[in-house]
Formats: sequence, C-alpha cells, structure tokens
Amino acid sequence: SQQGEEDPQALSIQEGENATMNCSYKTSINNLQWYRQNSGRGLVHLILIRSNEREKHSGRLRVTLDTSKKSSSLLITASRAADTASYFCATLQGGSEKLVFGKGTKLTVNP
Amino acid sequence: DTAVSQTPKYLVTQMGNDKSIKCEQNLGHDTMYWYKQDSKKFLKIMFSYNNKELIINETVPNRFSPKSPDKAHLNLHINSLELGDSAVYFCASSLSRGIQTQYFGPGTRLLVL
Repeated sequence: SQQGEEDPQALSIQEGENATMNCSYKTSINNLQWYRQNSGRGLVHLILIRSNEREKHSGRLRVTLDTSKKSSSLLITASRAADTASYFCATLQGGSEKLVFGKGTKLTVNP
Repeated sequence: DTAVSQTPKYLVTQMGNDKSIKCEQNLGHDTMYWYKQDSKKFLKIMFSYNNKELIINETVPNRFSPKSPDKAHLNLHINSLELGDSAVYFCASSLSRGIQTQYFGPGTRLLVL
C-alpha cells in the first residue's frame, strides 16, 4: 500500500527562490529517503535520513524528519532551472525490506 | 560507464505477445529490484532478488516472471501482455538487502497496443 504522500503535487518557482516539498507517511519507519526523477529518466537518490535523525544537509538540500508527526520536508535553496524534476519520498517501514514511494512533487524552476 | 542499464529502452508490442526486459548492474551490488511506474508516476515495487534469491514478490499477475541468472542481472519476462501492462519499468540495485539506497536504471517504456 502507498506510504508516502508528497505535498504539493506541483510547484512552480523562479530561479533563485527556495522550494519546499513535504512528505507524510502512515506507519513507523526505519528511514526516509528522497529521490529526484528528471523527465524520461530513472530516479536518483538524493538523501537518506534515519528515524533517529531530525535534520540532514547535503549541498543545497536540507531534509527534516518529524517522526511524531510522521512527516518530512525537503528544502532546495537557491533553486536552479536544472532542479526542474519530480521529487519522491520513499520510506522503509519497520520490519520490511520494501521501499514505498509517494506520488511525487513535480517542481518547475523557471529561469 | 552506466551503473544500471536496461534493454530495451522502448518496447511497443501487441496485446497477447510475450516480451522480456533485461537489466544489468556493474556496481557489484547483491540486491536488485523491478519497479513499475504508471501513467500517474506512481512507483511500485514488483520483485527483489538478493544474490539470485527471490526476497520480495509483490502481488503481481503470474504473467510476470523475474529471472536472475547471476547477481549482476535481473530480467523480467511478461507473458500474454495486456493493455494495462503499459507503463515504465525500472530496474534498481542496492549494495545489499539491508542497505536501502537504490540506484535506478533509465527505465523501459512499454506500450501495449
């Protein structure tokens, strides 16, 4: 069954602005991951945050995790046109080996 | 060098045909996966193999049969193709079954007419 739900479904911003995407999930997790998918391409892993972590940074990416609210956010700072893609959260549920993906947020960064 | 490769990239076929999609990874990973992404971009796992052993088998029609001749290859054979099988199929791999960062192939776009 689907675990993650991204919000918003679509986001359009100007280059240089920050983009924030949210993910909510339903059951307890071991970790939560964010992936990017450019149009017509495969998914690329961006960042993994474990259930005992609250925040993680990687370059212009910042991910937060609130296990009490069962939610995560992905912040992309100083966005670029090349950041245009769909972004998916994926959760590894406790006791499971399956990554369960959300439906994704489609981000458009206008030059 | 391509880490996870799939062939073919595009596949257009008639209903009722049988087709195969091949996947190879040169990362030395133990675990490989097949995912299906539908027209609404929803990505769902179908199968996973670890060192040639099937470890995840989701509820998919038995017309779909994975085969792993060695740990670097995971192929997907589909019998009696139906219109609803039209989707993008992604292969992925991870270092081991306990390591969940996954590396995806470019996808195979299957269109059943």
